[in-house]
Amino acid sequence: QVQLVESGGALVKPGGSLRLSCAVSGFSFSDYYMSWIRQAPGKGLEWISYISSSGNTVNYAASVKGRFAISRDNAKNSLYLQINRLRAEDTAVYYCARDVLEYTYGSRWFDPWGQGTLVTVST
Amino acid sequence: DIQMTQSPSSLSASVGDRVTITCRASQSISTYLNWYQQKPGKAPKVLIYGASNLQSGVPPRFSGSGSGTDFTLTISSLQPEDFAIYFCQQSDSPPWTFGLGTKVEV
Repeated sequence: QVQLVESGGALVKPGGSLRLSCAVSGFSFSDYYMSWIRQAPGKGLEWISYISSSGNTVNYAASVKGRFAISRDNAKNSLYLQINRLRAEDTAVYYCARDVLEYTYGSRWFDPWGQGTLVTVST
Repeated sequence: DIQMTQSPSSLSASVGDRVTITCRASQSISTYLNWYQQKPGKAPKVLIYGASNLQSGVPPRFSGSGSGTDFTLTISSLQPEDFAIYFCQQSDSPPWTFGLGTKVEV
């Protein structure tokens, strides 16, 4: 079955760095765009980045541009998020999700999502 | 960025009730609107995509409607497993943005 499993979350100090991973199975990873979405404790959802199926196109939310870097390794069925210069407001559960695109009408949505990995930024 | 405004932020309902949640976009997004359900400690799950298309495996008591700026998610007869938080999300133009959520509780 389709499965996404994130890892790499940790407690880090402000200014620190972290690399999150998302291991994918059950579908042809290299055919899909992928996204990272985060959720601060008790808060709503914030899309932060996507990467095209080939990895040639990326996009970021303004709140993370210049500090976060999304990448993928299609040979390893893995998605990554490098997070630098961490701030307290980056504390959140980070989800990876598959971008599903319906070509007839151009609809796109996130399905499925991984279980998430918690990043806590604190002294 | 396109702002998504959901209402209400929370509602109390009983099993069997008809529940309606609304989502308004700050500009027209055609039908590029998705609905997700999130239960405590779990990842969100898509219910409706393209404003009105039911995701495979989702019970038909869930339905979506709307286009342009105003959208609705309806649960025709609330079941115990439907108590959760519901989010709308626009996929018209990046950055993809979500509403703040509607908590459906007893």
